[in-house]
Amino acid sequence: QLQLQESGPGLVKPSETLSLTCTVSGGSISSSSYYWGWIRQPPGKGLEWIGSIYYSGSTYYNPSLKSRVTISVDTSKNQFSLKLSSVTAADTAVYYCARHGTMVRGSWFDPWGQGTLVTVSS
Amino acid sequence: DIQMTQSPSSVSASVGDRVTITCRASQGISSWLAWYQQKPGKAPKLLIYAASSLQSGVPSRFSGSGSGTDFTLTISSLQPEDFATYYCQQANSFPLTFGQGTKLEIK
Repeated sequence: QLQLQESGPGLVKPSETLSLTCTVSGGSISSSSYYWGWIRQPPGKGLEWIGSIYYSGSTYYNPSLKSRVTISVDTSKNQFSLKLSSVTAADTAVYYCARHGTMVRGSWFDPWGQGTLVTVSS
Repeated sequence: DIQMTQSPSSVSASVGDRVTITCRASQGISSWLAWYQQKPGKAPKLLIYAASSLQSGVPSRFSGSGSGTDFTLTISSLQPEDFATYYCQQANSFPLTFGQGTKLEIK
């Protein structure tokens, strides 16, 4: 079955760039039927969609983060990645990767990775 | 952006109870709504999609209804494993947005 796994540093300094990778196993990231997304959840708070990418490289970003976010895909490694620049303590969160449908109408997330906590602190 | 508002923010109930959680969208989203269950320290799990379709493997005591702006998630007979936080998500337009969550606690 399809599995997603986030990886990357758990601690990032303020003003630096957060970088995470999601590795997809049990299926191809090059499927024409899906987008691959990033969602985050600050400790004790709700869920925020960050952005999504198609295997061709087409992206959608949340306007609230768009100026700082870059999502990329490496189909040869079956991975996609997140970069968030100029981080502050407000970016401390559990970051999840997940799959969703290609049409915006019907973009529910399933499955999800287990999540990785990224703390922004000096 | 479409704002999603859940009520209540928390609810206490007992095993065997019937519980209903409401989600309201700030504008019409047809049936483009999903519900998730999240347990502490775990990723959210998709329960319901397209407002009323049960995800494979999800017990039939979970059901969803609604269209337009008002939606409900109902658990017909609470089981111990159902105590968790529940989120709705609109899938009508970007940016995709979630409700603030409803924490279901044991009474």
